Amino acid sequence: EVQLVESGGGLVQPGASLKLSCVASGFTFSDYWMSWVRQTPGKTMEWIGDIKYDGSYTNYAPSLKNRFTISRDNAKSTLYLQMSNVRSEDTATYYCTRGGYDFDYWGQGVMVTVSS
Amino acid sequence: DIQMTQSPASLSASLEEIVTITCQASQDIGNWLSWYQQKPGKSPQLLIYGATSLADGVPSRFSGSRSGTQYSLKISRLQVEDIGIYYCLQAYSAPWTFGGGTKLELK
Repeated sequence: EVQLVESGGGLVQPGASLKLSCVASGFTFSDYWMSWVRQTPGKTMEWIGDIKYDGSYTNYAPSLKNRFTISRDNAKSTLYLQMSNVRSEDTATYYCTRGGYDFDYWGQGVMVTVSS
Repeated sequence: DIQMTQSPASLSASLEEIVTITCQASQDIGNWLSWYQQKPGKSPQLLIYGATSLADGVPSRFSGSRSGTQYSLKISRLQVEDIGIYYCLQAYSAPWTFGGGTKLELK
């Protein structure tokens, strides 16, 4: 059974940094592109970016490129999202997803709240 | 960025009714369109990919179609378990962009 389990969310202050993790199981992690998607409290969905199966290429939403970094550790079957200089508008549920063009599996999501 | 205009924003329908949700792309996106269902309190699930292909395990009452730059998701006979929010996603040109969502409720 494919599983994606995110962690690392919580309440953070504006300007802080945060790193989300997503542990994958049930499939060969190193065979797949992986992506991050977020959903605002108002239910708007936003694609954050993706990473090639070997980690050699990443692609980001331009509005987030300078603050967010996606990486992966195939030996640990883990996907990461490093968030820096977070803002109130980054408050959302963050999903780890399998795939690059369409997302056939999603994690349960992890909430990030940016507030002082 | 490619804009995906999804309509309606909300929809109330009866059991067994035919339901259609549409997404209008601001430019040609070919068949790089997928549909997702998000049930209350759950993560989104892939329904349709490649504009018309049914994802594994998705009931056959769901179907996708394309007419030019307009894409439609059809539920042939609405069931209780179909209640939730539906989103389209274009993956033709980065950044990938979602439609605004359609909240489907039972009448």
